Amino acid sequence: DAGITQSPRHKVTETGTPVTLRCHQTENHRYMYWYRQDPGHGLRLIHYSYGVKDTDKGEVSDGYSVSRSKTEDFLLTLESATSSQTSVYFCAISESGGYGYTFGSGTRLTVV
Amino acid sequence: GENVEQHPSTLSVQEGDSAVIKCTYSDSASNYFPWYKQELGKRPQLIIDIRSNVGEKKDQRIAVTLNKTAKHFSLHITETQPEDSAVYFCAEANQAGTALIFGKGTTLSVSS
Repeated sequence: DAGITQSPRHKVTETGTPVTLRCHQTENHRYMYWYRQDPGHGLRLIHYSYGVKDTDKGEVSDGYSVSRSKTEDFLLTLESATSSQTSVYFCAISESGGYGYTFGSGTRLTVV
Repeated sequence: GENVEQHPSTLSVQEGDSAVIKCTYSDSASNYFPWYKQELGKRPQLIIDIRSNVGEKKDQRIAVTLNKTAKHFSLHITETQPEDSAVYFCAEANQAGTALIFGKGTTLSVSS
């Protein structure tokens, strides 16, 4: 398809548990991003990566950490999930910074 | 920091009418403005973009205009069809030019 896959597609977890979402790309793009989508808030940037082991914070990074140990994988971790982190999470890739994003299919996370 | 205001939040039109969505940005140094379309349950997809050295760009029934002086850009859809019904997001690049900051989205409904 678009060369980007997210896993899992759906997850229900309990408050206080750690959760890791995975984004995998086959395009060899330098940039990878994590956004969350909530009604009334649009798409908000959580963290992004501009190379292996190179990451930066976005506008809503509190409560989230990321890691990128190889070009193709970008992991988003919620250290201790809270109900406010219930959302749809989208990964995106880009060859050249903020241009020409390709989004993954999204992960719907519910924290109960 | 960067901020993109998008209006209206919802827009309902009759099939065949035109639709206009407007975004205002804060950083006068911004030079790239994309528009994404997200159908229900799907990933956002790039439909058109414009760079700051161009005032208008067209692609069949869609067009984007940019007013750098007023710091706003607009998406124009002519001869709307039911399949145009979706959420539309505008965006601008962050100051570093490494990520996109999105507006809150406009839900367009086209009734036949």
